[in-house]
Amino acid sequence: DVVLTQTPPTLSATIGQSVSISCRSSQSLLHSNGNTYLHWLLQRPGQSPQLLIYLVSRLESGVPNRFSGSGSGTDFTLKISGVEAEDLGVYYCVQGTHAPLTFGSGTKLEIK
Amino acid sequence: EVQLQESGPGLVKPSQSLSLTCSVTGYSITSNYWGWIRKFPGNKMEWMGYISYSGSTSYNPSLKSRISITRDTSKNQFFLQLNSVTTEDTATYYCARSTGTWGQGVMVTVSS
Repeated sequence: DVVLTQTPPTLSATIGQSVSISCRSSQSLLHSNGNTYLHWLLQRPGQSPQLLIYLVSRLESGVPNRFSGSGSGTDFTLKISGVEAEDLGVYYCVQGTHAPLTFGSGTKLEIK
Repeated sequence: EVQLQESGPGLVKPSQSLSLTCSVTGYSITSNYWGWIRKFPGNKMEWMGYISYSGSTSYNPSLKSRISITRDTSKNQFFLQLNSVTTEDTATYYCARSTGTWGQGVMVTVSS
């Protein structure tokens, strides 16, 4: 199975601060069809996960544009440009290029 | 707006079967992919499997022959059955449309 390694495991940020989360894959996530099936989810406390970013860098409808994704191959990054209080929760990267679909171990964002 | 809602028993005895229902509104399950994902105590997420728009299925090999996902298109519902459960199957179970829209989740405890 593809292993996704997320760092850091915990992140503490002040309101307005910009932060980044890294997701490294044990294999290239470039599919033979040219797509890279790497997505980012946020699970807020007491809520179900929601999709933030799909296909590395595409913003899901309704998601604020302070969220952005980048990367290729095996290295990917989620950036939050100006953290807001509602951004606290656990962030996951997830890959769908190689079966079975696998998740990163999660990054918990805390607000100082 | 698509919505998903899981239902089923919150307590299952070891060696028995876990059965959950996902009721979908606002979107037909004869389109797209519909999956089950579980989150263990802590942050670990595991993709269990999916049923496609055509009714074909794909399962995580880690679950071997214990898992079955079926559907009832007349009720716009799909189902999870996990056999021979152990305490290690204690988790919150989510249904989801691909990785984009998730249900609220149902906590299932395996205990005698």
